[in-house]
Amino acid sequence: SHELIQPPSVSVSPGQTASITCSGDRLGDKYTCWYQQKPGQSPVLVIFQDYKRPSGIPERFSGSNSGNIATLTISGTQAMDEADYYCQTWDSSTAGVFGSGTKVNVL
Amino acid sequence: EVQLVESGGGLIQPGRSLRLSCAASGFTVSTNYMSWVRQAPGKGLEWVSVINSGGTTYYADSVKGRFIISRDNYKNTLYLQMNSLRAEDTAVYYCARALLGLTYYYGMDVWGQGTTVTVSS
Repeated sequence: SHELIQPPSVSVSPGQTASITCSGDRLGDKYTCWYQQKPGQSPVLVIFQDYKRPSGIPERFSGSNSGNIATLTISGTQAMDEADYYCQTWDSSTAGVFGSGTKVNVL
Repeated sequence: EVQLVESGGGLIQPGRSLRLSCAASGFTVSTNYMSWVRQAPGKGLEWVSVINSGGTTYYADSVKGRFIISRDNYKNTLYLQMNSLRAEDTAVYYCARALLGLTYYYGMDVWGQGTTVTVSS
């Protein structure tokens, strides 16, 4: 299957840790990146190559990828982190497939 | 400043054609992989197409044979020619720079603001 499956939503209290999973066949064999999208805005790259942060992305965003699951972790979640998050991989058969997306609610 | 600005969206009848443009500044389109991504109302992101620095193109199955990605090196602009449009093509269309090589993928690091395409009679 070429699908990347994410939980529809994750809820977290301010200051706590949010973990968002992305599952797909042999996902650990591919590079995964993550995007944050706030309502009415374009996506923003927050993690690439599984765990690296682009310039300007806070350290509270981290990533990992092993086996069939990639994970985006937001440590010390802030209200401004409330958004939709999408994983993405790239390979020769699926090109730039995106995950189904996860809405992070900061309650 | 590195920037992408899309244009060309609008209301279009099913079966008709539309061309989207994406003007780049601060970097050169022809030396990068450039991609189109769309988002239907209330839905997630869907990768549509990519053109690499050599001019090779790739498409999602949902648009293959109907959409054509191209670029104008002189104008430093990316295009998406959309033919035989369907209601399910209704979406916000984003262009993005993809940091992609033979052995790596570093994600889409620059995105435009998006242009809305509505296919309806």
